[in-house]
Amino acid sequence: DAGITQSPRHKVTETGTPVTLRCHQTENHRYMYWYRQDPGHGLRLIHYSYGVKDTDKGEVSDGYSVSRSKTEDFLLTLESATSSQTSVYFCATGDRGIEKLFFGSGTQLSVL
Amino acid sequence: KQEVTQIPAALSVPEGENLVLNCSFTDSAIYNLQWFRQDPGKGLTSLLLIQSSQREQTSGRLNASLDKSSGRSTLYIAASQPGDSATYLCAVPNSGNTPLVFGKGTRLSVIA
Repeated sequence: DAGITQSPRHKVTETGTPVTLRCHQTENHRYMYWYRQDPGHGLRLIHYSYGVKDTDKGEVSDGYSVSRSKTEDFLLTLESATSSQTSVYFCATGDRGIEKLFFGSGTQLSVL
Repeated sequence: KQEVTQIPAALSVPEGENLVLNCSFTDSAIYNLQWFRQDPGKGLTSLLLIQSSQREQTSGRLNASLDKSSGRSTLYIAASQPGDSATYLCAVPNSGNTPLVFGKGTRLSVIA
């Protein structure tokens, strides 16, 4: 499977603080994705990237921004964290966008 | 907008039983469909990828079928084992080759 590392694995923060989650891949995949997983909602797409500096919004992008300055790194930033952003965040990568998707182990984020 | 539904939400079966998980989607103009497995506290692992031109894909005791015209897929698990206990999710592109939309999953428990 693709080498995908998410950091941190767990984070507790306070409302109003900025938070950055990192996804690092070693497979040179072109596509990278951020999803959040919540009970009752399943997995929902936040943002994705189809190349360095090329990103687009998903269905739940409000309150989130992303950056991809290198092929291997995709950062997700919560500019001012809110309690509704408490969730498990997953990074995923794919080579061509329509093929097999590989997931990281997730980041459990709690906003108090 | 693509919507994916999985039935049932949860399933409990005795060891050795054959079982079928169902997935339906609203937009049949898809490139492919993927079935994933998720263990508690872990990321997702892709099990099977069926291209739109295929009707079936097999891996060991797993068989996935795809009927694009009716917007349905099934995942058949033969001779279930306790190690098969997990949540199974199906996913299809939102439209064409755009990022995946996930169902909420079926939580499977195989009782020894």
